[in-house]
Amino acid sequence: GAVVSQHPSRVICKSGTSVKIECRSLDFQATTMFWYRQFPKQSLMLMATSNEGSKATYEQGVEKDKFLINHASLTLSTLTVTSAHPEDSSFYICSATTGTSGGFSYEQYFGPGTRLTVT
Amino acid sequence: GQNIDQPTEMTATEGAIVQINCTYQTSGFNGLFWYQQHAGEAPTFLSYNVLDGLEEKGRFSSFLSRSKGYSYLLLKELQMKDSASYLCAVIESNYQLIWGAGTKLIIKP
Repeated sequence: GAVVSQHPSRVICKSGTSVKIECRSLDFQATTMFWYRQFPKQSLMLMATSNEGSKATYEQGVEKDKFLINHASLTLSTLTVTSAHPEDSSFYICSATTGTSGGFSYEQYFGPGTRLTVT
Repeated sequence: GQNIDQPTEMTATEGAIVQINCTYQTSGFNGLFWYQQHAGEAPTFLSYNVLDGLEEKGRFSSFLSRSKGYSYLLLKELQMKDSASYLCAVIESNYQLIWGAGTKLIIKP
């Protein structure tokens, strides 16, 4: 149980285009989803916290107009990288929790990640 | 301020035991996680400690000392597939999850 999927697993796009990444909880309802970015040989960096039906909370330094997050249902959150640039190339990972209390998550179930390459 | 320290890299031999340490200084404490991450893959959950002591789960054990701000992950009977990065993460009192930079574990035959 507690499976999270991401689509696509890999994407290559041209500079200036937009890319949408989907994150789905397959067998549970996720009230909260998290979006991370990870550069090579570095740890996870939290980009934003997404609660179903409300606006995402972005971490400091993350441009909300560039990284659009939509948590439309209890099983789906999307991250759209708008006007992508080569420096946006990274490994994007989502995670989901089964329940929250003030944002607390006992365990985060991670999706397999999406490797974005912007040329 | 917030700080989580782990060794950057460790090397161990197949069949041996290795201990990966994690020290933390955070704004409050609501638990500590250990995750395993293979190269190019997302992290997978290993353990969660919120009380002092040792939690054993098969070949992996995790220890916590809240007074010392210290945890370790103990891996026994090492296998080549255990080669991965091991991430320590702490939940602060405001429920923010703070991640360490991870420890890359290299297993040699």
